[in-house]
Amino acid sequence: KQEVTQIPAALSVPEGENLVLNCSFTDSAIYNLQWFRQDPGKGLTSLLLIQSSQREQTSGRLNASLDKSSGRSTLYIAASQPGDSATYLCAVYSSGTYKYIFGTGTRLKVLA
Amino acid sequence: SAVISQKPSRDICQRGTSLTIQCQVDSQVTMMFWYRQQPGQSLTLIATANQGSEATYESGFVIDKFPISRPNLTFSTLTVSNMSPEDSSIYLCSVVVDWSYGYTFGSGTRLTVV
Repeated sequence: KQEVTQIPAALSVPEGENLVLNCSFTDSAIYNLQWFRQDPGKGLTSLLLIQSSQREQTSGRLNASLDKSSGRSTLYIAASQPGDSATYLCAVYSSGTYKYIFGTGTRLKVLA
Repeated sequence: SAVISQKPSRDICQRGTSLTIQCQVDSQVTMMFWYRQQPGQSLTLIATANQGSEATYESGFVIDKFPISRPNLTFSTLTVSNMSPEDSSIYLCSVVVDWSYGYTFGSGTRLTVV
């Protein structure tokens, strides 16, 4: 059974710092992994999706990497801003399961 | 990717009543999903709703409490029945157009039961 864990659970950093969020999964036989952002009380916004054959994906200040063999993904946020404050969730999909399994989330606060 | 309109965005309901949440998608999709997110928690899948078949419920969720309709390929509803304060959560619908493109989520319904 796939289990997804995110560390740290919460993170508070000053504006301008580069930071790394971690996502670990127990079954490396995944099809893809998706990173989401969630603002308080709102839905999820997709940030990046990495296919199992890819090593990383980039969008603006965001870079997501995937190491399938070790069961890990990282989300790198460069030059953090107060507007980046949100909860970040990773989710993994394995072929034939027909659903994503979500991590526990990292609550990020960027201080001005 | 698909665009999902979810309504209502929030509601405050009396215990013992029911609330129906709607999700409208701007394109035809086979698979729709309903999630619950309790305060401070991650997402838990309630059920998968495929058009033309009964919804498939996850362990711990039953049709009497969370009836789902899926009348066509662009629309679905989730009803939270006989509500109690423990049902206070964010409810989210999501769709998959192609597993290579991942999930797209609606904006969520923030439910408070008093």
